[in-house]
Amino acid sequence: EAGVTQFPSHSVIEKGQTVTLRCDPISGHDNLYWYRRVMGKEIKFLLHFVKESKQDESGMPNNRFLAERTGGTYSTLKVQPAELEDSGVYFCASSPNWNTGELFFGEGSRLTVL
Amino acid sequence: AQSVTQLGSHVSVSEGALVLLRCNYSSSVPPYLFWYVQYPNQGLQLLLKYTTGATLVKGINGFEAEFKKSETSFHLTKPSAHMSDAAEYFCAVGGNTGGFKTIFGAGTRLFVKA
Repeated sequence: EAGVTQFPSHSVIEKGQTVTLRCDPISGHDNLYWYRRVMGKEIKFLLHFVKESKQDESGMPNNRFLAERTGGTYSTLKVQPAELEDSGVYFCASSPNWNTGELFFGEGSRLTVL
Repeated sequence: AQSVTQLGSHVSVSEGALVLLRCNYSSSVPPYLFWYVQYPNQGLQLLLKYTTGATLVKGINGFEAEFKKSETSFHLTKPSAHMSDAAEYFCAVGGNTGGFKTIFGAGTRLFVKA
């Protein structure tokens, strides 16, 4: 069974450019989460999808970040325009159940904004 | 609100020595507690979790953790470190607060010396 896959693994862009990160969850997992880790700090929650609906987007930093999950399968996280402080590792996780807390993580997408 | 504090961003032990990674949490609801591990170039994977019941929880690779409500702690231990245990370890807390959000600590990197 394929795990959570994320693309790209590493992206280097200049300030003001746009980047789109993609996450393919484990097949059949209705719950999809985005997290971000900046400079070795804690892994911070960004948002949670249940199927195609945003269940909780309280962690999204600002309106430069847009997450979508059309059709309830894969998800994209777009940053537009990117700022220096957006640099970090973006993790995607999926789960079959929203209320158990057990998350299955991808390897992360490292974003560097110059 | 929920939060996690991991004491020590880096811990170094000798092979065969006891591993102790400290975690304290704060939660306004009965907590679910987790330890995740991240090996180099991999995603996070679940080591063990506490939900209810027995407070001593056993996980994979010989790790265990004990939930101590009075101390709001969930420290991770392993009697004898192996070189393959070198990784970054994350403590996390979740709970049903009307939704379910898993909050992570900043991580502790474990070094194992030969």
